[in-house]
Amino acid sequence: DAGVIQSPRHEVTEMGQEVTLRCKPISGHDYLFWYRQTMMRGLELLIYFNNNVPIDDSGMPEDRFSAKMPNASFSTLKIQPSEPRDSAVYFCASRPTWGLSGNTIYFGEGSWLTVV
Amino acid sequence: GNSVTQMEGPVTLSEEAFLTINCTYTATGYPSLFWYVQYPGEGLQLLLKATKADDKGSNKGFEATYRKETTSFHLEKGSVQVSDSAVYFCALIGLNSGYSTLTFGKGTMLLVSP
Repeated sequence: DAGVIQSPRHEVTEMGQEVTLRCKPISGHDYLFWYRQTMMRGLELLIYFNNNVPIDDSGMPEDRFSAKMPNASFSTLKIQPSEPRDSAVYFCASRPTWGLSGNTIYFGEGSWLTVV
Repeated sequence: GNSVTQMEGPVTLSEEAFLTINCTYTATGYPSLFWYVQYPGEGLQLLLKATKADDKGSNKGFEATYRKETTSFHLEKGSVQVSDSAVYFCALIGLNSGYSTLTFGKGTMLLVSP
């Protein structure tokens, strides 16, 4: 089975531009997570969805960040406008309902964002 | 709330040395504990896990035992290889997150030299 698929893998953009990161979770997983990794703050949970509904977005840093999950196989994380301090690795992850496959969360390869 | 504390790195070892990376946690309820590994330029991979007290998780020669009395989940390997060089993250899923999301430690970088 394919893992969590993220795109783009790498993106370099100019300050002020809109950035859209994409994620396809593992088929059958009904939870989807967006994490951000930086040297200063480590791994932080930004938002997670259950059955396409946002459950907890308290980690979203500010209004410039938004996330959507229009269907069970696709999610986006958008930054508008982007700033240099948004430079980080953004991970998407997914898991099934507990009991169907243990309690493991599976991560994508990450989207490495640089804002200049 | 939930929290995970790992020893700071980098940990620098010679090939075939014994590895220990310490991890302690704070959580209510009965958390599940995990070690994830991140190789250079790659994403996070699950290394091993334990879901209840005294469970031992193991994979690729790595082991960790869930110690509820000391709230610890230390990672060990008897003989490291250069290919083990990576960042290791201890994490938990606990009651505070509704047993839904992972709380990570800061990560410990391991550097193994030939």
